[in-house]
This record gives sequence, C-alpha cells and structure tokens, in this order.
Amino acid sequence: DVKVTQSSRYLVKRTGEKVFLECVQDMDHENMFWYRQDPGLGLRLIYFSYDVKMKEKGDIPEGYSVSREKKERFSLILESASTNQTSMYLCASSLPKTGYNTEAFFGQGTRLTVV
Amino acid sequence: GNSVTQMEGPVTLSEEAFLTINCTYTATGYPSLFWYVQYPGEGLQLLLKATKADDKGSNKGFEATYRKETTSFHLEKGSVQVSDSAVYFCALSDRTNFGNEKLTFGTGTRLTIIP
Repeated sequence: DVKVTQSSRYLVKRTGEKVFLECVQDMDHENMFWYRQDPGLGLRLIYFSYDVKMKEKGDIPEGYSVSREKKERFSLILESASTNQTSMYLCASSLPKTGYNTEAFFGQGTRLTVV
Repeated sequence: GNSVTQMEGPVTLSEEAFLTINCTYTATGYPSLFWYVQYPGEGLQLLLKATKADDKGSNKGFEATYRKETTSFHLEKGSVQVSDSAVYFCALSDRTNFGNEKLTFGTGTRLTIIP
C-alpha cells in the first residue's frame, strides 16, 4: 500500500517558535508538495519540490521554507510561527506529470495551532 | 493561471438522494480534471479523473464528464449513502511559473448524508 506519512497529527506551538513539519513517502516519487487547507479557501500550494534539493514556490510561500535532502523526505519550516499560520497542513507526492495520468497521494495532515 | 470554481456547501441530503456538486474551471490549454475526496480525519484521495474532453470518470458510483464547451466537471451520484459523507474537492492540472506541473484545487464542498 502506498504511503505518505506526516510526522504529527496535531501540534501546538508558540508564536515566534521555529516549527518543522516532516513528510516521508515510500513510493520513490519525484514530486512532493506542501499545501495548507483552510475553510472556505480549499487547498493552497505553499511549496513543492520536483527533485532532491530542487524546490519551487507555490501560491503562498511567505513565512515558509522547505528542505529536501533525500528523495523520500520533504520538510516544511515555519521560520517564526505566527497565529495566522494556524491551519491544516497536507503533504502530497506524485510521479512527474502530476496533471495527466498520475495520481497525487496525500498524507493524513498535521493540524497546527499557533498560540 | 488556471482556476477552479466549486459549488459552495455545505450540502445535506437524505440517504438514497441524487447528488450533484458543480465544478467549473478556467484554463488555458486542455487540463486534466479530478475529483478528490477527504473523509473525516483523513488526507485527500483520488475519487475519479478525466484527461480529455468528453471523457467520463467514474468510481464508487460517482461520475463526472469533462465538458469543454461549458468548462465544467460536475460530480454526480444516483443514490448517496451515509458513508459518502466527506469533503469533495474539484481540481485541475496546472503549470507553475517555471513550467512544472501541479494541481490547483477548488474550495471544497462538505457533504453530509443523513439516514
């Protein structure tokens, strides 16, 4: 069974903390993505990576950075957490050509609360 | 860039009712179209897809037809069950600023089926 695993289901962090969200996939996929999900806004792409050490900004990258040192692992970093980053974060992976005949696989999500 | 407009929810139906969730898109070129479903407490999973005009995607009794002339991809099911209660996302294939491929999602529609 294919799997995308996010390290935490729930996190509570304080304003100003540096936060790491980890994601691991076991499908040898080239592409990995970080989305945030907010009510009424759907899923918005923060960053994605199409190869090791390669990344591209998504639609809302401000306040975030990412790291991909190994193919199977993609980390999202909140440099200085703020309350407006309270959200559900979803990691996904796929083969290249995501938009065609290739499915994106999602983790279960991390619900982050910044207080 | 490409965008997806999805029927706002929440939608509440009785068991065995007919379901339609509307989805329209704006795109240059010919994107692939998808419906993803998110069951409570889980990540997203692919429900069905269509890669070209007039294609019909189907799975678990759900169907959607890629209509290029109306730029639509409405989700339908003839008889819904309580287990169909979930959030449904319409999505399309898209390109990033650097020409890589990604998915763009609608805002999601929460569906609740009552016995």
